[in-house]
Amino acid sequence: QQPVQSPQAVILREGEDAVINCSSSKALYSVHWYRQKHGEAPVFLMILLKGGEQKGHEKISASFNEKKQQSSLYLTASQLSYSGTYFCGTGTDSWGKLQFGAGTQVVVTP
Amino acid sequence: GAVVSQHPSWVICKSGTSVKIECRSLDFQATTMFWYRQFPKQSLMLMATSNEGSKATYEQGVEKDKFLINHASLTLSTLTVTSAHPEDSSFYICSARVGQGRSYSNQPQHFGDGTRLSIL
Repeated sequence: QQPVQSPQAVILREGEDAVINCSSSKALYSVHWYRQKHGEAPVFLMILLKGGEQKGHEKISASFNEKKQQSSLYLTASQLSYSGTYFCGTGTDSWGKLQFGAGTQVVVTP
Repeated sequence: GAVVSQHPSWVICKSGTSVKIECRSLDFQATTMFWYRQFPKQSLMLMATSNEGSKATYEQGVEKDKFLINHASLTLSTLTVTSAHPEDSSFYICSARVGQGRSYSNQPQHFGDGTRLSIL
């Protein structure tokens, strides 16, 4: 079952922050975050595992609340290069199969 | 590192034709590969999981006889869309992951650039 992502889209000015949420109705083993630019392959950002950890990749970080079956991706001091569609992929079995959310389109303007 | 090559990138063919798409891991051994379908402005829908040397596992609603998957080596998986029809037109994308099974479930998936399939 697909996780639910929100918001569907967000427009930011360079330097602003944003949060993207991903929630699942099933217990999660892991949450994977990817960014896809138009016409390109999704690019891996980070994985969060059971245990409620937080991770970071430059000024992009994420948290995982296992109990709430939710993850959030934080874009801090956004850059133009952050534009794209962000997908969360949730692992609900221990074999690593992912179900992807509908995506959040992020547009960062100068 | 972790480069996945997908070929072809674009296919246009007549209805009834079978089309083969290749997915190769160039610098790592991919015991597990995944095949997805993506409609415009929509999410990645998992079609099947392919493990080297064994039969693919298909998601509910995906026709096994329509979408044939072969994962004959640690670096190559192929998806064949048999007797393709206009409704099969879509963006097909593969991903590859190191390892098979539970102990590798936390490894990232590395995606190919996708294949845009148009059936006339």
